[in-house]
Amino acid sequence: SQQGEEDPQALSIQEGENATMNCSYKTSINNLQWYRQNSGRGLVHLILIRSNEREKHSGRLRVTLDTSKKSSSLLITASRAADTASYFCATSRGDDMRFGAGTRLTVKP
Amino acid sequence: NAGVMQNPRHLVRRRGQEARLRCSPMKGHSHVYWYRQLPEEGLKFMVYLQKENIIDESGMPKERFSAEFPKEGPSILRIQQVVRGDSAAYFCASSLETGGLQFFGPGTRLTVL
Repeated sequence: SQQGEEDPQALSIQEGENATMNCSYKTSINNLQWYRQNSGRGLVHLILIRSNEREKHSGRLRVTLDTSKKSSSLLITASRAADTASYFCATSRGDDMRFGAGTRLTVKP
Repeated sequence: NAGVMQNPRHLVRRRGQEARLRCSPMKGHSHVYWYRQLPEEGLKFMVYLQKENIIDESGMPKERFSAEFPKEGPSILRIQQVVRGDSAAYFCASSLETGGLQFFGPGTRLTVL
């Protein structure tokens, strides 16, 4: 089911710049996940951060989680044109999984 | 405007039985995606369908799994001769157009005894 909010809804940057996307949610969670959707393809899992973690890195990706503010951010450093995609966050709580509406990132060469 | 609907929400099957999972996309959406989620893991893409066509099934296991999205009615994910390893949550999503944002259903939790 669709819940949670991501902002901005759309983000356009130049290649080499950093891109930051935010995700807010409403209830307590077990973990939060970030996904990427390339045009016309299924979602690809990027990173999972558990509720007792504050920060996680994977390559050029950095995810933070602030459970007191019920928010997470995804930072993509040194962006490339190939990073152009939609990015979703999803929260898990027990058996319940909820998705944000997504941020459309465009990286201009 | 109803969201993506999946049924059943919970399904229990014994080894060797068949499981049929249904997904009704949002009104007006003709693109459906199926994902599988194992406990404490992220979603894994299985298949992408448009009405009456399979566009990308690169994530589908080669045997026992099949998916369809007929002209009328919901999309069906079918698992034949289920095994315990098939126990997972199966999510579907729909979108309005190719590359459009995906809207997710609540998932079906399959338990194989």
